[in-house]
Amino acid sequence: NAGVTQTPKFQVLKTGQSMTLQCAQDMNHEYMSWYRQDPGMGLRLIHYSVGAGITDQGEVPNGYNVSRSTTEDFPLRLLSAAPSQTSVYFCASSYLPGGSPPLHFGNGTRLTVT
Amino acid sequence: AQTVTQSQPEMSVQEAETVTLSCTYDTSESDYYLFWYKQPPSRQMILVIRQEAYKQQNATENRFSVNFQKAAKSFSLKISDSQLGDAAMYFCAFKSQGAQKLVFGQGTRLTINP
Repeated sequence: NAGVTQTPKFQVLKTGQSMTLQCAQDMNHEYMSWYRQDPGMGLRLIHYSVGAGITDQGEVPNGYNVSRSTTEDFPLRLLSAAPSQTSVYFCASSYLPGGSPPLHFGNGTRLTVT
Repeated sequence: AQTVTQSQPEMSVQEAETVTLSCTYDTSESDYYLFWYKQPPSRQMILVIRQEAYKQQNATENRFSVNFQKAAKSFSLKISDSQLGDAAMYFCAFKSQGAQKLVFGQGTRLTINP
């Protein structure tokens, strides 16, 4: 049971380049989300999904796109990378909250935009 | 909007001693959940402890316990018998009932001195 798998672990981009951060979970979780972690700011929600075909914006969605075509996968796309997107990105999943089930986090992707 | 504040950017404690990490939050809601997450140098986010706001009893998980003061909107984490493996960044987080996101504090870096 792999849990939440994120790839790549590290990535360096030049300003203006595009890329996709991959996230996959094998726990049949309905809820998936993307957070970014910046020093002194904790983690902030970028986008989330409550099921295949359903996505919504979080706190800091600008510059990022998501889609959810399957229950297992929730990729995060940077269309035109900017230095302000230098951060550590976490994907997290859980069963849908009926109560508050614990979030399962991936191990993160460290992204540097030069 | 809810906010979570961790006023101690860094803390240190001697091995085997007890340390308390502070967390305050701001909300107008009555139904919510509070969490402490641990992030060791491996970058993995690990759920340490969880508290439901409607429960008056403080949550406990082995050496980890919380002091939940609902009226004061305070949620501190006590680590007893500190071990070297407890060294990590600790994040306090808040989630409203029915909400789709966690709101994180800025984090407290805990150092354990041998």
